[in-house]
Order: sequence, then C-alpha cells, then structure tokens
Amino acid sequence: AQKITQTQPGMFVQEKEAVTLDCTYDTSDPSYGLFWYKQPSSGEMIFLIYQGSYDQQNATEGRYSLNFQKARKSANLVISASQLGDSAMYFCAMRGTISSGSARQLTFGSGTQLTVLP
Amino acid sequence: EAQVTQNPRYLITVTGKKLTVTCSQNMNHEYMSWYRQDPGLGLRQIYYSMNVEVTDKGDVPEGYKVSRKEKRNFPLILESPSPNQTSLYFCASSLGTGHSYEQYFGPGTRLTVT
Repeated sequence: AQKITQTQPGMFVQEKEAVTLDCTYDTSDPSYGLFWYKQPSSGEMIFLIYQGSYDQQNATEGRYSLNFQKARKSANLVISASQLGDSAMYFCAMRGTISSGSARQLTFGSGTQLTVLP
Repeated sequence: EAQVTQNPRYLITVTGKKLTVTCSQNMNHEYMSWYRQDPGLGLRQIYYSMNVEVTDKGDVPEGYKVSRKEKRNFPLILESPSPNQTSLYFCASSLGTGHSYEQYFGPGTRLTVT
C-alpha cells in the first residue's frame, strides 16, 4: 500500500520569498510517479509538476521545483518568488505500478494550506 | 480545448433521492476515475475504469455506482444518498494507467445531502 504524508497543515510565506512544502511517501513499488497539485479556493485541481522515481534530475516548471530525495522518500515542492495568487491548498500525490495495482489511482496526502502575505 | 466536464457543479438534495453526476472527457482517455474530497482527508478514490465496460472499486465505493458505456463518459450514481455522502466530488481521466500519466481533473461537484 502507498502512503503520502504532508505534515504541514498550514504555512505562511511573505510575498517574493521562497517556500518549501514537505511531502514524504511510502511505497514498495520499484517505480512510481510523484505529483503536486494546487487547489485554489475556487476548488479546481491544477497540476503543477511531476517527478518520476527514475528521473536523474529534479523536476522544474517555472517557479516550481521538486526537491526529490529518493533515499529519504521525500518529494518537497519549492515555490520561488511567492505571489499572492499562490495562496491555495497544495496536495502531494503518487501513482505506482500496474503490476502492484497501485497505478489504479493517485494516492493523495492531506494537503498543506499556503497563505502568501503581502 | 482538452477538458473534463462535470455536471452539476453544485447540488443540494435530500436523503434517499437518487441522483447522477455526469462526467465527460474529450481527450480520448482510456482511464477515468471518481474521487471524493473531505476536509483533512485529501482525495479518496471511489471507483475507476480502465476502459469501456471495465470498472472497479476504489477505496470508498460504498453507496456509489458507476458505468462506462462510452469511452468519454463516466457517470457517478448515488442510488440512495445519505448525509455522509456530502462532499466535493472530482472526476479525473488520464491517457493510461502508467505512473507517468498525469490525471486531468474536472472542476468538481459540491454535493450536500440533507
């Protein structure tokens, strides 16, 4: 079984500062994918970034980067130069292999509510 | 525009009155799934479908039904809704089931059962 843990229910960051949102995971799958989604107050789920377990480089997408430490089973999201529009709930999720059955769904953490202060 | 649509977006109903939430995608995706979101619990999978006529239970299937008669549509049926099914529901789809496939989410349906 897979598990995602997000230990920060809420975070505050000053506008233009960088912030790191923590995510640890547990899986026995030999390969897997890690995702981050953003959920603003309007409710929709917005895909941010993906990291494959065998990717050599940490993923980056604009101001988002994923600090992937496979041995520590962590996949922290780093947002650089925070903007007011970054205030939202952020979810870490993972998807495993077809053979283990864990590819059938995204397994989500409980989320981190980020508030960017002006 | 590639998208997943859900209807209705908001629904208030009473206990026991059957309802259907529709989900449709225009990306020719094989895989579709339903999740519910409750505070502090993240998103939990209700049902999923690998392809037409192939559906299976997720983690919280009790009280729900689904069908996949066409590739693009994956309706969620609540035969006899109860207040504990009050939640935010998301439909999602992806091209395949490999772990690199991003899931595209619909806008969500906020359901209240009184």
